[in-house]
Amino acid sequence: QVQLQESGPGLVKPSQTLSLTCTVSGASVSSGRYYWSWIRQPAGKGLEWIGRIYTSGSTEYNPSLKGRVTISMESSQNQLSLKLTSVTAADTAVYYCARGWDDNRGSSGSAPLYWGQGTLVTVSS
Amino acid sequence: AIRMTQSPSFLSASVGDRVTITCRASQGVGSDLGWYQQKPGKAPKLLVYPAFVLQSGVPSRFSGSASGTDFTLTIASLQPEDFATYYCLQDYTYPLTFGGGTKVENK
Repeated sequence: QVQLQESGPGLVKPSQTLSLTCTVSGASVSSGRYYWSWIRQPAGKGLEWIGRIYTSGSTEYNPSLKGRVTISMESSQNQLSLKLTSVTAADTAVYYCARGWDDNRGSSGSAPLYWGQGTLVTVSS
Repeated sequence: AIRMTQSPSFLSASVGDRVTITCRASQGVGSDLGWYQQKPGKAPKLLVYPAFVLQSGVPSRFSGSASGTDFTLTIASLQPEDFATYYCLQDYTYPLTFGGGTKVENK
């Protein structure tokens, strides 16, 4: 059973860096053929894909975040991390980490199948 | 980025109704389209991916179909636990993009 758990500060000041960790159990972040994503959702609004890291370490980011995002993995801790710099109130949201889909037959993709419960991050002074 | 236009935004229906939700992609995405169900305070749940394949454990009243760049999620007979918000997602190309969501409410 793959489980993910986000953690980090619930309050970040404007212009500072948002840093979150996703602790994974039931799967290895650095082996297999999996895509690990971060997604966010402002209160009462829709979902926005932030970016993903593959088990090889390659990354893709949403250009809408204008280069403010870094996603990395810490294999020894079986964790993922998200860093978002120069935050504003517009970055206030529930942040989810997720693992991509696989069909148990060797095919995999980015579409998230397993999700963490999400963590609310508020940007405010 | 590929734009996913989802309709309707809100849908009022009763238990037993047949419900159809549509997503139109701004360009071709093949069958790299998924449907999610989200209940308040919970993470989304993947129902269908790729466009036609029901995920394990998802009731058979849910189904996905496609015609070109138009994708449809159908709930054959709405059940009380199906009142939720539904999103489509394309993962054909980066950035992944979600539709705006459809909230299915009890009439």
